[in-house]
Amino acid sequence: QSVLTQPPSVSAAPGQKVTISCSGSRSNIGKNFVCWYQQLPGTAPQLLIYDNDKRPSGIPDRFSGSKSGTSATLGITGLQTGDEADYYCGTWDNSLSLVVFGGGTKLTVL
Amino acid sequence: QVQLVQSGSELKKPGASVKVSCKASGYTFTNFAINWVRQAPGQGLEWMGWINTNTGNPTYAPGLTGRFVFSLDTSVSTAYLQIGSLKAEDTAVYYCARAGFLMARGVIVGTWNWFDPWGQGTLVTVSS
Repeated sequence: QSVLTQPPSVSAAPGQKVTISCSGSRSNIGKNFVCWYQQLPGTAPQLLIYDNDKRPSGIPDRFSGSKSGTSATLGITGLQTGDEADYYCGTWDNSLSLVVFGGGTKLTVL
Repeated sequence: QVQLVQSGSELKKPGASVKVSCKASGYTFTNFAINWVRQAPGQGLEWMGWINTNTGNPTYAPGLTGRFVFSLDTSVSTAYLQIGSLKAEDTAVYYCARAGFLMARGVIVGTWNWFDPWGQGTLVTVSS
């Protein structure tokens, strides 16, 4: 049972937009920055978004992040088959004193 | 470019120990923390803790047993994860990942909660 809650899977057609939610609590998302990772099959996670809505260099602007209260959202526009991956949200939890992750969301591009 | 390169896969018997290495390149090793994250087969990510590359002081996630030890060799820009008394449930991919230092009044008090880059991962399989 993950501290942060994500939908197990989402799907959309190529070219469409998809959003992935990440729900937490006041002790984690409510008080700290959120990040997002993309994990392509058989590879290590890659940072997509940090500090709620910032993109590292090299990450296309098709990827966006937002946060409101105790929830965060990852948005991906112009879906490509290469976006098929698992996506994880993460943040610090003040009560547990550790970095927590969501359970991951599998994106399928139909 | 900045990268972390980990040692290769390991197959160990229950009760044995293993040491995973994580060699950094492309940046000043002591300017960033190294975090460790594990991923059991088919499961999500679990943060294990981090090590201060300035002092060598490790911080372990609450609940992580004393079987796990983080260490450094700054002369070769390498971090290590050692796991003792291996159990079948330790079977996982272990990742190292770089993060900035969280500072307060000029003192390192923690690590940022976002990691970039990650090592390629080391699969540790524990089986008799």
